[in-house]
Amino acid sequence: GQNIDQPTEMTATEGAIVQINCTYQTSGFNGLFWYQQHAGEAPTFLSYNVLDGLEEKGRFSSFLSRSKGYSYLLLKELQMKDSASYLCAGTTLDSNYQLIWGAGTKLIIKP
Amino acid sequence: DTEVTQTPKHLVMGMTNKKSLKCEQHMGHRAMYWYKQKAKKPPELMFVYSYEKLSINESVPSRFSPECPNSSLLNLHLHALQPEDSALYLCASSPGEEYEQYFGPGTRLTVT
Repeated sequence: GQNIDQPTEMTATEGAIVQINCTYQTSGFNGLFWYQQHAGEAPTFLSYNVLDGLEEKGRFSSFLSRSKGYSYLLLKELQMKDSASYLCAGTTLDSNYQLIWGAGTKLIIKP
Repeated sequence: DTEVTQTPKHLVMGMTNKKSLKCEQHMGHRAMYWYKQKAKKPPELMFVYSYEKLSINESVPSRFSPECPNSSLLNLHLHALQPEDSALYLCASSPGEEYEQYFGPGTRLTVT
């Protein structure tokens, strides 16, 4: 079967660091995307990991462990505008067009 | 131009109406997608066009009819919709397989 799990909601403080985890059980796994979606808006691309390891892009970093079926998104120096839903989505070797989406993690930033 | 545009932004239609949603991208992307998204749920894939040919149809009811007139345009024709079809309809494009998808702002559809 194909399944991606992530926490439903997380709360963090402005200026702090937060890690959003994503675990997957997908046959023929190929890579994992992270998207940010503000309420009522479209998802925007954050990162794509195919190889094991950490990829850093400014305040956001994404990590993948293929052997553990695990990824995380790390957000540093949190800002109020980071309040959004964060969705992880996997691709498989069968079809890279079809993303297997997690349900999304709603991140709430408090002052 | 790294933008996917969609029109209209909002649409209210009755169950007997016929309407169309439009999507456009000028990034030279070869794949275009239609998604449906309900509140607090992830996007749900409906259709994929690859090189202007319908590549994936996720068992979508025939009251939704996609059309790809050319490599930059994607339409979704709507007819005899049900209230449960009310949702945010997102268009996306990507350079090809295994690339990030760029989403348009969506059309908020309400079926009355």
